[in-house]
Amino acid sequence: EAGVTQFPSHSVIEKGQTVTLRCDPISGHDNLYWYRRVMGKEIKFLLHFVKESKQDESGMPNNRFLAERTGGTYSTLKVQPAELEDSGVYFCASSRLRGTGELFFGEGSRLTVL
Amino acid sequence: AQSVAQPEDQVNVAEGNPLTVKCTYSVSGNPYLFWYVQYPNRGLQFLLKYITGDNLVKGSYGFEAEFNKSQTSFHLKKPSALVSDSALYFCAVRDINAGNMLTFGGGTRLMVKP
Repeated sequence: EAGVTQFPSHSVIEKGQTVTLRCDPISGHDNLYWYRRVMGKEIKFLLHFVKESKQDESGMPNNRFLAERTGGTYSTLKVQPAELEDSGVYFCASSRLRGTGELFFGEGSRLTVL
Repeated sequence: AQSVAQPEDQVNVAEGNPLTVKCTYSVSGNPYLFWYVQYPNRGLQFLLKYITGDNLVKGSYGFEAEFNKSQTSFHLKKPSALVSDSALYFCAVRDINAGNMLTFGGGTRLMVKP
């Protein structure tokens, strides 16, 4: 079974540019989450999809961030325009709808905004 | 609101010695508790979880953790450390009455020296 895959693994952009991160969850996992770790601090929740619906987006920092999960399969997280403070590692995770709670994480997308 | 504290940024231990990585949590309801490990340039890997039942849970790579409700702690332990255990360890909690979101601690870097 393939794990959670994320693309790109590393992106370097300039302030003001746009970046789109992609996550492919484990097949059959209806729950999909985005988290990020900024400057070596805590891993912070961004949002949660159940299939194609946003269940909880309370962690999204501002309207420069847009997440989608059309068709309930893969998800994208777009940052537009990127700011310096957006630099960090963005993790995607997935889980079954009725599991015991452990999330399966991808390897993360490292974003560097110059 | 739920929260997790990992009071040590780094834990140093000699190979062959026992190790403990500390974690305390705060939730309003009953907790699901997790430990994840991140090796260099890799994603988060699930180690173990406490859902209910025996307070001592065993996980991957010889790790175990003890749930202590009165002290609201879930410390990670291993009887004999290996150099290959050197990594970043994250404790996480989920309030079973507050949705599927995991809240992570800040992480503890474990350094095992030969």
